[in-house]
This record gives sequence, C-alpha cells and structure tokens, in this order.
Amino acid sequence: GQSLEQPSEVTAVEGAIVQINCTYQTSGFYGLSWYQQHDGGAPTFLSYNALDGLEETGRFSSFLSRSDSYGYLLLQELQMKDSASYFCAVHTGGFKTIFGAGTRLFVKA
Amino acid sequence: GAVVSQHPSWVICKSGTSVKIECRSLDFQATTMFWYRQFPKQSLMLMATSNEGSKATYEQGVEKDKFLINHASLTLSTLTVTSAHPEDSSFYICSAMRTGAKNIQYFGAGTRLSVL
Repeated sequence: GQSLEQPSEVTAVEGAIVQINCTYQTSGFYGLSWYQQHDGGAPTFLSYNALDGLEETGRFSSFLSRSDSYGYLLLQELQMKDSASYFCAVHTGGFKTIFGAGTRLFVKA
Repeated sequence: GAVVSQHPSWVICKSGTSVKIECRSLDFQATTMFWYRQFPKQSLMLMATSNEGSKATYEQGVEKDKFLINHASLTLSTLTVTSAHPEDSSFYICSAMRTGAKNIQYFGAGTRLSVL
C-alpha cells in the first residue's frame, strides 16, 4: 500500500526551530510538497521538492532525500501564527497526490 | 501565488435537498481539479478528480450518483451533493492543479456543509 508517516503533534516555543519529518512509501514519486492549514481554513502551499536537497523560502525550508524516502519541513524563528497543521504530500504521477495525516504544531509563548 | 475561489463558504440545508459547490481557478487554467472531504482534525480525503471535458474519476467508496461533479470549463468545477443527509455534513475543499515544472495544487477556502 501507499503511506505517508508524520508525527501527529509537535510543540515548540516562540523563536525556536522545529522540524517536522515525513517518510513515505508510494508506488510512484514525482515530488514532495508541504501545506499549512489553520483551523477552519484551507491548506496553503508552502514548498515543493522534486530533487534531493534543501529548498529555502524565508523562515521555512524543506528537505528531501529520495534514496531514504524522507523529507522534512523546517520552521525557524517560530511565531504564534505558525500554530497550525502541516501536511506533507507526495505526487505519485498522473496528477495524483497522497496527503499525510498532518502534524499539529503548537507554538507556545 | 495562484488563487482558487470556492463558493459558498458555508451552507446549511435541509435533509433531502441538493447543494452545489463551485470551485474556480481565477488566474490560471486548470484541466484537473480535485474535491476533498475533511473531518475535524483529520487529513484530506480525496473524493474525486475532476477532468475538464470528461467524466470525473471517483475514489473507492465515493458514490458518484450522490456527489455529482461537472468540470465544464478550464476554470470551473462544481460538486453537487444530491439528496443530502446529516452524515454528509463536513468540510469540502476543492483544489486546482497548476501544471508546469511543479505540479502544485492550490486550494479553495473550503465549504462547510451542515445538513439538518
């Protein structure tokens, strides 16, 4: 079967750095995306990795290792507004995307 | 980033009625759109893939006669929940695929459906 594993919850303090891991097992792989979703809102696109390495976008960075079927989202200088759910998603081909169960991030003062 | 508009954002209806939800890609053409259902504090459950000009592809367990999808243009897909029942109450989210070097899905704001 196809699966994505990510932690269900992570707690961190303001100003800290947090890493949310995602491991996947899929029949196809074209890229790994990360989305942020606040309660009651829609997911918003954060990043996309198709090749191994680190992609940096402001305070957020995303990493991919295809050989390890592993990626992570790194959030730096955490702010209260970063409290949300974060989903990793694998693009498996044919426009098909599989989403992980999501990681709820709680940022404390 | 790209913009996807979803309407209505919130709807209450009586059991047995039908509800139509619209999803529009505002600044790009989308041959492929997706419809998801999300329960509280859970992940996105793909219901169907909407393809412009052809029939939608439904995921296993999703009743195509209950959830009618029409993708008549490159910027509009609609989901109609027919003969809604209280168990259909949920958060429905659409997304549009922007193809290119990165096939990125851009999501609408979601529709919260409450069936009385």
